[in-house]
Amino acid sequence: SQKIEQNSEALNIQEGKTATLTCNYTNYSPAYLQWYRQDPGRGPVFLLLIRENEKEKRKERLKVTFDTTLKQSLFHITASQPADSATYLCALEWTGANNLFFGTGTRLTVIP
Amino acid sequence: EAQVTQNPRYLITVTGKKLTVTCSQNMNHEYMSWYRQDPGLGLRQIYYSMNVEVTDKGDVPEGYKVSRKEKRNFPLILESPSPNQTSLYFCASSLRQFGANVLTFGAGSRLTVL
Repeated sequence: SQKIEQNSEALNIQEGKTATLTCNYTNYSPAYLQWYRQDPGRGPVFLLLIRENEKEKRKERLKVTFDTTLKQSLFHITASQPADSATYLCALEWTGANNLFFGTGTRLTVIP
Repeated sequence: EAQVTQNPRYLITVTGKKLTVTCSQNMNHEYMSWYRQDPGLGLRQIYYSMNVEVTDKGDVPEGYKVSRKEKRNFPLILESPSPNQTSLYFCASSLRQFGANVLTFGAGSRLTVL
């Protein structure tokens, strides 16, 4: 069965630095890979989507890469701010599946 | 405002007492889904619905029921709750974007079963 791993439970970085979060999976590459942000006591909020045949996507200070050879996605937040502190979830969707499979998340803390 | 609304947000109940968590979306989405979130296990899908009267099991359906009689509503029913169903529950709906299921989540319902 598929396994999805996000590199660490928690990541602390200094304000202004680039945060890099990792999402690894086993077996087959998903057709789509998404990243969500979740704040305490709230539901996840969609951030970015990248398709299997895409290498990189950007949105403002966010960048996602997708390497199907390494079976890995990297999520970057450049010029990080304390307001970026949250838990970030990767979610994978395979062709024909009616489900998003989520990683357990990485809790990012940006220290002023 | 486009949103998914869940109720109740917090609930404490006792073993065996039937309860329903309601979910409603105002975006005319066809796809709706229920997830539970537990520490260390992440979000796991309970049930989903592709459209009215079309529902199917997710990864952890045992002990739950759903119905989809109207497009906007997708209630989650616990016929006989047990303590292992203590969890944080999320309802989500989806608009397919570029072929992918991009989910809009509700604010969550924290359920405690004593």
